[in-house]
Amino acid sequence: DTAVSQTPKYLVTQMGNDKSIKCEQNLGHDTMYWYKQDSKKFLKIMFSYNNKELIINETVPNRFSPKSPDKAHLNLHINSLELGDSAVYFCASSPKGQGTDGYTFGSGTRLTVV
Amino acid sequence: AQSVSQHNHHVILSEAASLELGCNYSYGGTVNLFWYVQYPGQHLQLLLKYFSGDPLVKGIKGFEAEFIKSKFSFNLRKPSVQWSDTAEYFCAALFYNQGGKLIFGQGTELSVKP
Repeated sequence: DTAVSQTPKYLVTQMGNDKSIKCEQNLGHDTMYWYKQDSKKFLKIMFSYNNKELIINETVPNRFSPKSPDKAHLNLHINSLELGDSAVYFCASSPKGQGTDGYTFGSGTRLTVV
Repeated sequence: AQSVSQHNHHVILSEAASLELGCNYSYGGTVNLFWYVQYPGQHLQLLLKYFSGDPLVKGIKGFEAEFIKSKFSFNLRKPSVQWSDTAEYFCAALFYNQGGKLIFGQGTELSVKP
């Protein structure tokens, strides 16, 4: 059983399109996160939800909108995709709101905008 | 804002050589520290973590790290690397006053030559 699963694994789309990435965790964790890994492998947090409530919202364009229907799911919707959005997006979860036990990461979604 | 920095961008070693990857974090009060590994094309996996107590932490795959509070450092070590250790290594810190946000260093690419 995959602990944190993301779909799709690969996503190639044209500029201007709208796309969604889904994430699900079966660990019973309360907190979920979205990270963006750029071409230089740098990881930067985008959002965090604790039991469906948004708790971290970094400086991310409004085109990115997270949605958490329940504490096991955190989806990421991106409007009007731009070339600069090309990256690997990682979902993660942690058992407590403070993430003190570290995060469990999904396998990533490689988004390519052409 | 608190930050994490890794000294080496790319390290190249021969098999059986010893490894030490540097990691420093900015002062921010209580901090939890982590090392993650990302094998090519894969997600991040937790190698080890430090919360408190013994500053020498042992992790999986023969890795260990030493927390030196006076130097704000958490260097990763392995006495003898293998070709299979080729990967990207990320140091990360969780500052308690940052609301559970895990902050990553820039990553160090390790290449082990057989």
